[in-house]
Amino acid sequence: QVQLVQSGAEVKKPGASVKVSCKASGYTFTSYDINWVRQATGQGLEWMGWMNPNSGNTGYAQKFQGRVTMTRNTSISTAYMELSSLRSEDTAVYYCARVREDLMATMYDYWGQGTLVTVSS
Amino acid sequence: QPVLTQPPSSSASPGESARLTCTLPSDINVGSYNIYWYQQKPGSPPRYLLYYYSDSDKGQGSGVPSRFSGSKDASANTGILLISGLQSEDEADYYCMIWPSNAPRVFGGGTKLTVL
Repeated sequence: QVQLVQSGAEVKKPGASVKVSCKASGYTFTSYDINWVRQATGQGLEWMGWMNPNSGNTGYAQKFQGRVTMTRNTSISTAYMELSSLRSEDTAVYYCARVREDLMATMYDYWGQGTLVTVSS
Repeated sequence: QPVLTQPPSSSASPGESARLTCTLPSDINVGSYNIYWYQQKPGSPPRYLLYYYSDSDKGQGSGVPSRFSGSKDASANTGILLISGLQSEDEADYYCMIWPSNAPRVFGGGTKLTVL
């Protein structure tokens, strides 16, 4: 069965960086894009960007340009999201999500369990 | 500030229907987009429910009951999620989303549905 398993919770100081992993299993990792979405406590969903695990191509939301880097290691079917220059407003649960493309629609069909990143001095 | 506007909360009784709305800004025509709907329960990631473009172009997520359906109100530039025969397990947050080509994905702010 398809699974996306994320790394554990992190506590970081302002100005630091965090790298969250998302290990895929149950499907061919390079066949589906991975997107990253975050959610601050009690808030809505915020799209951060996408990565094609086959090519390594990425695209980031303008808000995170220059601070976010999405990479992958195809040998271990794992995607990564690194966010730098952390500030308190980055405290959130970060999700990876698999993108499924049907003939007429594109959706997130599987999600990781989420990784809580807390930024605090 | 989410681009897609959803009422923060909605409520209905078991067995009734709930109509959740997702209003697009005036410069984005609802008729041009698939409207996607996700359900999120506390402590869990979102779950894909369905997408709606038109009555002839729509899709249901795997295992999603048919009492969840989508529609649009073009006059209000709004996407709609209709949940019929409400059950207690439907109490959750619901998010709409659009997926413009070569542009950022956009989520609504979410609606918290309470089943009274």
